[in-house]
Amino acid sequence: NAGVMQNPRHLVRRRGQEARLRCSPMKGHSHVYWYRQLPEEGLKFMVYLQKENIIDESGMPKERFSAEFPKEGPSILRIQQVVRGDSAAYFCASSPGSNVFSGADSPLHFGNGTRLTVT
Amino acid sequence: QKEVEQNSGPLSVPEGAIASLNCTYSDRGSQSFFWYRQYSGKSPELIMFIYSNGDKEDGRFTAQLNKASQYVSLLIRDSQPSDSATYLCALNTGRRALTFGSGTRLQVQP
Repeated sequence: NAGVMQNPRHLVRRRGQEARLRCSPMKGHSHVYWYRQLPEEGLKFMVYLQKENIIDESGMPKERFSAEFPKEGPSILRIQQVVRGDSAAYFCASSPGSNVFSGADSPLHFGNGTRLTVT
Repeated sequence: QKEVEQNSGPLSVPEGAIASLNCTYSDRGSQSFFWYRQYSGKSPELIMFIYSNGDKEDGRFTAQLNKASQYVSLLIRDSQPSDSATYLCALNTGRRALTFGSGTRLQVQP
């Protein structure tokens, strides 16, 4: 049962280093969403991608953060020069189509998240 | 004003009671509404979705939507200790990704 796969599960980085978070969507899903969750808070949308395209990055910080979803391979969320405030759980979700909300067949499916700790 | 508002809780109910979780939203154009459950340290999982005004029942869960008053609620009947989790309200505000509330922590006391 290949659900949404994220790795690593836990990532520790020192301030100033780079963090790379990977997400492989469910089989048959071509749409990927990245969310960030700070402790005791809800999920904050960051970016929505389809294969080779960024559809909506309105939630992505303008600096240091980037995301891609190449034709082959997983989606990558990259954080350059990490700071302590980047410490959070980063969740990836996938869906099969662009109209996520039409009927019962395409809710978002979440991965188990990557917990980033910046020391 | 936040797009999606939830009381952070914790909401504490005894085992067997009805737990009522509420969510209000600001965008009248919102069309689809979802409830996710998230156990501590785990990923969110979809419990219910609702698109039309009124009630929608699924087992022990009932989602209620009132678009005129801009609120959506989740009722959990016969609450069990295993229902203890954070419940996230989410909705489609017209963007292509779901907007989430900050969640309500539910504690069911045995």
